[in-house]
Amino acid sequence: DIVMTQSPDSLAVSLGERATINCKSSQSVLYSSNNKNYLAWYQQKPGQPPKLLIYWASTRESGVPDRFSGSGSGTDFTLSISSLQAEDVAVYYCQQYYGTPLTFGGGTKVDIK
Amino acid sequence: QVQLQESGPGLVKPSETLSLTCTVSGYSINSAYHWGWIRQPPGKGLEWIGSISHSGSPDYNPSLKSRVTISVDTSKSQFSLKLRSVTAADTAVYYCARDPSSNSWYYFDYWGQGTLVTVSS
Repeated sequence: DIVMTQSPDSLAVSLGERATINCKSSQSVLYSSNNKNYLAWYQQKPGQPPKLLIYWASTRESGVPDRFSGSGSGTDFTLSISSLQAEDVAVYYCQQYYGTPLTFGGGTKVDIK
Repeated sequence: QVQLQESGPGLVKPSETLSLTCTVSGYSINSAYHWGWIRQPPGKGLEWIGSISHSGSPDYNPSLKSRVTISVDTSKSQFSLKLRSVTAADTAVYYCARDPSSNSWYYFDYWGQGTLVTVSS
């Protein structure tokens, strides 16, 4: 199984400041034949299902604000929120789909400082 | 707008079978794409249970494979999950979701609201 490790477990950021979440995979999720990273990011608010934010490591899902961005390649990835808003308080998960079983990171809780 | 809705018992006794159904609206379940089940124990992270293609070919998490069956009923626009021999460790919110791939297993772009299933006598 590909193990996804997120860091930090939680972070508190002031409104308007940048939040950065890291995700590391136990093996590369870059598929050489198409040069795509098989990595997605989700946002989950309390009592709600996860919401897809980013796929292919850096492609923003339709309707997702552009303050959310994904970067990285191979085994190391980052989700950035450029200017944290109150509505961004949530738990964020990464997920690899390079191979089965599909696996998720343990989650990073983002709060307001 | 694609919508998914889980349904099934909220309480299952230990050693019995957990059965859930996901009803899909706003999209033809047999047109393309794949459909999956994911669970989340209270206060914990997400675990992929398995997925099924629009043509009915499933893939399961090896950690659950011996106990899981996922099937699709295109006539009812539904897909289903059966998890046998449940224990308290299977207590979780169970989500159904759409995987927008047509030839592999990818990410999930539409999710149901989830249903809490508690395993207890």
